[in-house]
Amino acid sequence: DGGITQSPKYLFRKEGQNVTLSCEQNLNHDAMYWYRQDPGQGLRLIYYSQIVNDFQKGDIAEGYSVSREKKESFPLTVTSAQKNPTAFYLCASSTTVGSDIQYFGAGTRLSVL
Amino acid sequence: KQEVTQIPAALSVPEGENLVLNCSFTDSAIYNLQWFRQDPGKGLTSLLLIQSSQREQTSGRLNASLDKSSGRSTLYIAASQPGDSATYLCAVLGRDDKIIFGKGTRLHILP
Repeated sequence: DGGITQSPKYLFRKEGQNVTLSCEQNLNHDAMYWYRQDPGQGLRLIYYSQIVNDFQKGDIAEGYSVSREKKESFPLTVTSAQKNPTAFYLCASSTTVGSDIQYFGAGTRLSVL
Repeated sequence: KQEVTQIPAALSVPEGENLVLNCSFTDSAIYNLQWFRQDPGKGLTSLLLIQSSQREQTSGRLNASLDKSSGRSTLYIAASQPGDSATYLCAVLGRDDKIIFGKGTRLHILP
């Protein structure tokens, strides 16, 4: 089945630790996105990528890093610089950045130990 | 800066009723507006996409309208069912290629 797979579903981070969230898509989409969702708030864009080897900062990129070495994969690293990492993280993709529909993964819930 | 507001934040209605969810945005220069459904602890499912040149879109019991000049969209759900219980999010795609989401409306359909 075509779609977006995020893993793991639940992730725990210790103080000072970097953790990486995986996002893989087999939809042949050029554009991929990472959002953060906090209770009572809308989704906020962390990073997005229009094409392989390219990515741009979103509204809340501080404390996060990404890479886009393959079209199918857009991993998000939550670094120790992110002081409030507890949230629900959603990955999405679309054919291009712009006027197309975004397809979302099931999400990863990150908590701090 | 684009702001997207959804009112009400939560809504409970008896099964079988028709209902309307509201979404407003401050900058009318948008490419499209999208309605999503999110079940607890899950990702988002796209329901309807309205391009800026369109007035409405329909899918089954769902109808979404767009009035760009007034910065408003509504999602109409006909004959509501308990399975419709979820959080409904609207999102606008602006000319800067960024999508801005509202905070959502939590809908609970009472059996």
